[in-house]
Amino acid sequence: DVKVTQSSRYLVKRTGEKVFLECVQDMDHENMFWYRQDPGLGLRLIYFSYDVKMKEKGDIPEGYSVSREKKERFSLILESASTNQTSMYLCASSLWGEGNTEAFFGQGTRLTVV
Amino acid sequence: AQSVTQPDIHITVSEGASLELRCNYSYGATPYLFWYVQSPGQGLQLLLKYFSGDTLVQGIKGFEAEFKRSQSSFNLRKPSVHWSDAAEYFCAVGPILTGGGNKLTFGTGTQLKVEL
Repeated sequence: DVKVTQSSRYLVKRTGEKVFLECVQDMDHENMFWYRQDPGLGLRLIYFSYDVKMKEKGDIPEGYSVSREKKERFSLILESASTNQTSMYLCASSLWGEGNTEAFFGQGTRLTVV
Repeated sequence: AQSVTQPDIHITVSEGASLELRCNYSYGATPYLFWYVQSPGQGLQLLLKYFSGDTLVQGIKGFEAEFKRSQSSFNLRKPSVHWSDAAEYFCAVGPILTGGGNKLTFGTGTQLKVEL
């Protein structure tokens, strides 16, 4: 089975802190994604990566950056956390190519910024 | 741009009753369509998917969905709901031909409550 693991289930950080959310997948998937989930808004794509060191902005990249130094690991970085970044963050991965759009999700990280 | 609409924010059904969750999409061609379920505090689990072929697709946990091109819809159904089906359900659309990323676009979700 595909396994996508997010390093923390719950995080509490202070305003202005630099925050790292880590995600690892074990199925050699090319694509990795970071989504943010808020009530009434569904899942919104922050960033995605389709190869090592490659990244593209999603729909809401402001205030975030990402890093992909190894194929299996995709990190989301909040450069200076703010209270409006309190949310559930979901990491996902998928294979490259036509017919491989299905995404596999981690358990999520619930981040609270105080 | 692709988009997904789930018009029902909350739905309550009695255990044993039938269920239909609505999903409408906007896309320039036939997309890939998905239904995911999220239990409280958990990530998303794939229920079923449609790529091509038979427009009625079967998924896990007794769910099915029907793709209707003329209505741009992909509604999720279950003939008899169990209390354990209480969760949030997300419809998603993705491109068939991709230049990279295979991005999915999600609806805002439907929260299902099951009354015993």
